[in-house]
Amino acid sequence: SAVISQKPSRDICQRGTSLTIQCQVDSQVTMMFWYRQQPGQSLTLIATANQGSEATYESGFVIDKFPISRPNLTFSTLTVSNMSPEDSSIYLCSVEAAGSYNEQFFGPGTRLTVL
Amino acid sequence: SQKIEQNSEALNIQEGKTATLTCNYTNYSPAYLQWYRQDPGRGPVFLLLIRENEKEKRKERLKVTFDTTLKQSLFHITASQPADSATYLCALEGGGRRALTFGSGTRLQVQP
Repeated sequence: SAVISQKPSRDICQRGTSLTIQCQVDSQVTMMFWYRQQPGQSLTLIATANQGSEATYESGFVIDKFPISRPNLTFSTLTVSNMSPEDSSIYLCSVEAAGSYNEQFFGPGTRLTVL
Repeated sequence: SQKIEQNSEALNIQEGKTATLTCNYTNYSPAYLQWYRQDPGRGPVFLLLIRENEKEKRKERLKVTFDTTLKQSLFHITASQPADSATYLCALEGGGRRALTFGSGTRLQVQP
């Protein structure tokens, strides 16, 4: 298994500002993902964070709005840019641990409220 | 388009009974299907994975079935306990990528 921490755990932000969320894993992992979970909804994949190259974004998500960095095999950041109230959500990072069969481990999430 | 459906209505059962949750999917040919548990304010926790060539998988009080003809998975919790109360999500890999697509989840409430 993998232990994942996220910072911050929650934040309240003003419209038009940006927030960077950090995801730290306690072991090297190949695959890292960022998901969004809006209130009362299930998880929606934002992007796959690729180590050393640009993230792979899902339909409806763009790099200008959600820039992602992954400088090494244990760390990634997601920035929510130019925020609006519609960005209020829980943001979760997950990893596929080495040797697992696509089983994913999730961080505790970052609860974002945009006013 | 690909779709995963779980019963959006909460499932209320009595302690000791078996809870059965359903996951149906369309326009998918997944190699495997996974079930996760999510408690309020927390990230999902992996429970079980079942491959397309497996009909049934068990882990302690949990049992998962996978019918690729019906495009359905059933998730059973036997001898349910109030501590089993949570939202249960099914997830499929697909589209040639390693990330998962999740169903909307079913909330289970086990009454003492």
